[in-house]
Amino acid sequence: DAKTTQPTSMDCAEGRAANLPCNHSTISGNEYVYWYRQIHSQGPQYIIHGLKNNETNEMASLIITEDRKSSTLILPHATLRDTAVYYCIVRSRRVRTDKLIFGTGTRLQVFP
Amino acid sequence: KAGVTQTPRYLIKTRGQQVTLSCSPISGHRSVSWYQQTPGQGLQFLFEYFSETQRNKGNFPGRFSGRQFSNSRSEMNVSTLELGDSALYLCASSLGGAGVSTDTQYFGPGTRLTVL
Repeated sequence: DAKTTQPTSMDCAEGRAANLPCNHSTISGNEYVYWYRQIHSQGPQYIIHGLKNNETNEMASLIITEDRKSSTLILPHATLRDTAVYYCIVRSRRVRTDKLIFGTGTRLQVFP
Repeated sequence: KAGVTQTPRYLIKTRGQQVTLSCSPISGHRSVSWYQQTPGQGLQFLFEYFSETQRNKGNFPGRFSGRQFSNSRSEMNVSTLELGDSALYLCASSLGGAGVSTDTQYFGPGTRLTVL
């Protein structure tokens, strides 16, 4: 699985959009980009995933660059409850396994 | 639909003891994976079960073992506990299945194990 690089921490004002970047320059054509978040000491929560097209759901939007070497998770209107560690994970669709390789993630702090 | 449940939520043991943690997946999910989370090492994959068979295994010593039952519920066991085994143990489930695909995994709340 490709390695991902994320900033260690980010701040965002409540009500503003939070844009969390992820670099996955070694991603291959058969690998998805997944995003999870973990609020303090809880289990990781699935947010969104995509292959090459931009994706949107009720929680967030995922923008993947055309060359697929990076992506951005967008929380359109951040709230205090969005304060969490956000993990970007690259996962192969060719190998039949549920193994996820977590990096260190981005600690997002939403402030009033 | 109920989410992934883990029991117990908190556990305190002493060195040398053994412990068994339980995970009930989301109804209809057949794949269960286990992870260990510590401040120093972060989230690390332990093993994955599908249809009562271990499908993948992380880089942990043999003291860590698991199993899956016919109803997809899973248990993990840690024998001869060490202080370094203190961690949050997380279970995740997915639909699973054969073939090449990526099912979304959903995590439980975790079991916080403290080894004294």
